[in-house]
Amino acid sequence: DTGVSQDPRHKITKRGQNVTFRCDPISEHNRLYWYRQTLGQGPEFLTYFQNEAQLEKSRLLSDRFSAERPKGSFSTLEIQRTEQGDSAMYLCASSLGLAGGGETQYFGPGTRLLVL
Amino acid sequence: ELKVEQNPLFLSMQEGKNYTIYCNYSTTSDRLYWYRQDPGKSLESLFVLLSNGAVKQEGRLMASLDTKARLSTLHITAAVHDLSATYFCAVVETRLTFGEGTQLTVNP
Repeated sequence: DTGVSQDPRHKITKRGQNVTFRCDPISEHNRLYWYRQTLGQGPEFLTYFQNEAQLEKSRLLSDRFSAERPKGSFSTLEIQRTEQGDSAMYLCASSLGLAGGGETQYFGPGTRLLVL
Repeated sequence: ELKVEQNPLFLSMQEGKNYTIYCNYSTTSDRLYWYRQDPGKSLESLFVLLSNGAVKQEGRLMASLDTKARLSTLHITAAVHDLSATYFCAVVETRLTFGEGTQLTVNP
């Protein structure tokens, strides 16, 4: 399967614990995005990378959230000191950035986080 | 702040009927995407619309874009049960901003 993969698919944790999610994009894609989706809502942008550079971060991304893409391939999203409000589906997407834009973002299956 | 609004949010229709989902947005962007999401699943890309007047069709779904009106439509023709899902439109400035989604249920 050459699509976007995410690990784990499900995570249950207690409030205050740290969690880390991993995303492996489609291999030739230079752009990688993280979104958060809560029940009944559309995905909300968190951050995006072009190669290893983190180019944009949403105001939703509090100090407890950090994302990396160290070698321009896979990415990790870490949430420190989790809160119940962090419970959501975390989606990763990748795309092949085009000069004029208009590329399609391909989404992974998501990591569903439940904070107890 | 960019806003993307879909209408309706919930749609229940009978098989064989036609209907249109509307997506209004507040920016001058000329790039709009439609995605499908099945319950508990990720998002599947349906259409990419890149210019004013763009129209794309795939099976029973047809999407169009009017950048002057800041409006995109997703038209469903002769609905079948397999089309039951949530449909999202999304607009690009520097990142995708999604609408709330339209939950479509097609009843036999």
